[in-house]
Amino acid sequence: KAGVTQTPRYLIKTRGQQVTLSCSPISGHRSVSWYQQTPGQGLQFLFEYFSETQRNKGNFPGRFSGRQFSNSRSEMNVSTLELGDSALYLCASSFAPTGEGNTEAFFGQGTRLTVV
Amino acid sequence: AQTVTQSQPEMSVQEAETVTLSCTYDTSESNYYLFWYKQPPSRQMILVIRQEAYKQQNATENRFSVNFQKAAKSFSLKISDSQLGDTAMYFCAFMNPAGDMRFGAGTRLTVKP
Repeated sequence: KAGVTQTPRYLIKTRGQQVTLSCSPISGHRSVSWYQQTPGQGLQFLFEYFSETQRNKGNFPGRFSGRQFSNSRSEMNVSTLELGDSALYLCASSFAPTGEGNTEAFFGQGTRLTVV
Repeated sequence: AQTVTQSQPEMSVQEAETVTLSCTYDTSESNYYLFWYKQPPSRQMILVIRQEAYKQQNATENRFSVNFQKAAKSFSLKISDSQLGDTAMYFCAFMNPAGDMRFGAGTRLTVKP
C-alpha cells in the first residue's frame, strides 16, 4: 500500500508569507503527527491529530497551526514566516494515536521549506 | 521535562563490523516507549526498533539490537555485521504515555567499505 505522502517536496517562501503543507497518511491510519527538523534544534514535535482533533501540541508559537480532515489527510499552516522557519517538515501517520495500542509511526519524505 | 541525549554526533564503522550508538534520556515516568529511527539520504524516517519500558527483555530486530538499562536511563543501539546501506542519521526517541515525543540530536553513521 502507498506510504505517507507529503506535498510539496520543496518550497521557497519569503519572510512574512504564509505556507500550507499537506500530508496524506497511509490508508486506514487516523493519526497524523508533524515534526520540524533543523540542524540546530534537531527533530521537534509540532502537533498530533487524530480523528480531526488535535491531541498533542509541541512548544511552538501560534503561527504554527494544523488541521485534519475527515479522510485523515492533514495540513499544516505557518503564518508570517520567519527565516528560522526554514526546515524539513516531516509528517508521520499511525493507526492509533500515540500512546494507545499500535504506536508504530510511518514517516513521509518531508517538505523542505526555505524562507528567504 | 523529558530530554533525550545522543552524545555521538558522528560515527563510522567498517563494513561487516559492529557499532554501538548511545542514547540516554531523562524522565520521571515509569512507563514509556523508546525508539530508534533511521534517516537515510532519502530523508524518510524508518523505524529501526522500539522498546517498551515495562519489558525487561532487550528488543532485537535482525542485525539491530538494543541494550536497555532502565535504571541508568540508557538505550543504546547495536548494529551487527554493518552494511553500506546502514549509512544514515540515527535518531533516538522517547515517548511518554500521553504521546509527547522527544528526539535526540541524531548520530550520523557512516559505514565504510
